[in-house]
Amino acid sequence: GAGVSQSPSNKVTEKGKDVELRCDPISGHTALYWYRQSLGQGLEFLIYFQGNSAPDKSGLPSDRFSAERTGGSVSTLTIQRTQQEDSAVYLCASSFQGRETQYFGPGTRLLVL
Amino acid sequence: GDSVTQMEGPVTLSEEAFLTINCTYTATGYPSLFWYVQYPGEGLQLLLKATKADDKGSNKGFEATYRKETTSFHLEKGSVQVSDSAVYFCALNGGSSASKIIFGSGTRLSIRP
Repeated sequence: GAGVSQSPSNKVTEKGKDVELRCDPISGHTALYWYRQSLGQGLEFLIYFQGNSAPDKSGLPSDRFSAERTGGSVSTLTIQRTQQEDSAVYLCASSFQGRETQYFGPGTRLLVL
Repeated sequence: GDSVTQMEGPVTLSEEAFLTINCTYTATGYPSLFWYVQYPGEGLQLLLKATKADDKGSNKGFEATYRKETTSFHLEKGSVQVSDSAVYFCALNGGSSASKIIFGSGTRLSIRP
């Protein structure tokens, strides 16, 4: 069985551009999470989906960040008007229903020039 | 809010040495506790977990016991190997954090041959 997959694995963009990061969770997992790993901030929670709804968006750092999930499966994290401080590894995780072990994808390394 | 505090790194040990990485937590409710590991160039992997007080999680020779009275979840291994070199993250979920994982800052472990 496949694990959590993310694409692209690396993304280099220019300041001010929009980027979209994709996550495919483990099949059958209803809960999906986005985290960010950066040198200065460690591992931070961004947003949590249960099915297609997001009961917890408390970690999104600004209104430039948004995420959606469709069909209870794939999720997209969008960062608008990227800034250099957005440079980080963006991690996606999924779990069966939301309180069990979370399994992480390999991450998308984002570099904003 | 919930939080995790773990031993600052880096930690450097010789092969076959005894390892302890300290971790304490603050949480309301009854969180589950985890150790995640990130090997060089790889994604975040679950190493072990414990879901209630006095539970012991173990994997690959590593152990950690959920101590509610001291709010601790210290990671131990009796004899480390070069291949254990990685960054180790203590983490919790549940408690007041609902489903999101709260991570410690990570401890970088290097093992000398």
